[in-house]
Amino acid sequence: DAGVIQSPRHEVTEMGQEVTLRCKPISGHNSLFWYRQTMMRGLELLIYFNNNVPIDDSGMPEDRFSAKMPNASFSTLKIQPSEPRDSAVYFCASWSGGYNEQFFGPGTRLTVL
Amino acid sequence: GQQLNQSPQSMFIQEGEDVSMNCTSSSIFNTWLWYKQDPGEGPVLLIALYKAGELTSNGRLTAQFGITRKDSFLNISASIPSDVGIYFCAPGGGTYKYIFGTGTRLKVLA
Repeated sequence: DAGVIQSPRHEVTEMGQEVTLRCKPISGHNSLFWYRQTMMRGLELLIYFNNNVPIDDSGMPEDRFSAKMPNASFSTLKIQPSEPRDSAVYFCASWSGGYNEQFFGPGTRLTVL
Repeated sequence: GQQLNQSPQSMFIQEGEDVSMNCTSSSIFNTWLWYKQDPGEGPVLLIALYKAGELTSNGRLTAQFGITRKDSFLNISASIPSDVGIYFCAPGGGTYKYIFGTGTRLKVLA
């Protein structure tokens, strides 16, 4: 398996633009997580899905953020409109359940100017 | 919400030195996982602990599951430059499956 795949790896955009981050989890994993990492706040959970259904989105900062998982092999995190304070590295991780570890993607480094 | 505090927050060490870091919580956990994040990558599992008091090694890494089940320790012996990165603890599984510690940032001076 290729592991968790994220795209793009880097994104630079201007304030007010829409940003869409993409994730393909490991096949057979039934849970998917979106995290944001910054120096100030560390690794923060934004939302997680189980069997394609959003279970906990309490970490989503505000209405500008939305996430979807239309099927078991694809998820998106959208920011509209983007703001400079959204600049961070966004990680997607998939999990097979139990006490197994999460598998992280390589992350998307987002810079909003 | 649940917090996992790691210490130290960051450390600079000389190549060849041993490193110790720990993770503490106000809650009891059944599992402790230690991850490492290389620069520019996502975290990757290093060691998993499943039993209070358990001591587990993986090469130069040794981790212990605290007897109180509220803490865990990670030691790295004879550090090398590729040990640089951020080390995270996580309770793993259950309702805490997505909680990670605050991280310990390690920098190794050659």
